[in-house]
Amino acid sequence: DTEVTQTPKHLVMGMTNKKSLKCEQHMGHRAMYWYKQKAKKPPELMFVYSYEKLSINESVPSRFSPECPNSSLLNLHLHALQPEDSALYLCASSQGQFNFDTQYFGPGTRLTVL
Amino acid sequence: GQQLNQSPQSMFIQEGEDVSMNCTSSSIFNTWLWYKQDPGEGPVLLIALYKAGELTSNGRLTAQFGITRKDSFLNISASIPSDVGIYFCAGQLNMNQFYFGTGTSLTVIP
Repeated sequence: DTEVTQTPKHLVMGMTNKKSLKCEQHMGHRAMYWYKQKAKKPPELMFVYSYEKLSINESVPSRFSPECPNSSLLNLHLHALQPEDSALYLCASSQGQFNFDTQYFGPGTRLTVL
Repeated sequence: GQQLNQSPQSMFIQEGEDVSMNCTSSSIFNTWLWYKQDPGEGPVLLIALYKAGELTSNGRLTAQFGITRKDSFLNISASIPSDVGIYFCAGQLNMNQFYFGTGTSLTVIP
């Protein structure tokens, strides 16, 4: 199973809402990632978890709060977002933290902030 | 962050034609990767390159790690409609520095 799953596929939220994005993998990968991708732009790295610990935070605003409950799950909690946060949010996993060549991406959650 | 410039930005080609695109940077990279992204999906790894001068194929796709280590090239031979999508290069500068290129959008006209 080389699949990374993400839910929901689409999410519309207001600026005062609290919502969460979920990501799951069962490949035994020890590193998991959140990326943000605006339309027609490349993915931008947000967070990296290695062995369930946050190892990289690319200066992401605190309205995005990641969580890694176990080695298979990765969440991204959203609160007080802005319309400019609307984007495709991609989750990925890899064997180890710096093994980008073994990185598998999920299909993404399309987020719209009203 | 690092800028990986891809060219061309977009391509419109006839089915059956060959495609070439490249990715350049001002920095020396240790690893080059090429991905394809379909609409509504995440990127999928096509080819990984690890050594300067390396030439690697995956079916109709061939990619090369530039000799200077500052560039990489992707060729697609005999394009088909399902080749449509956005192609991204990506480079690993050192252990924890990984960057995507600006992308090349490919349209194949049947």
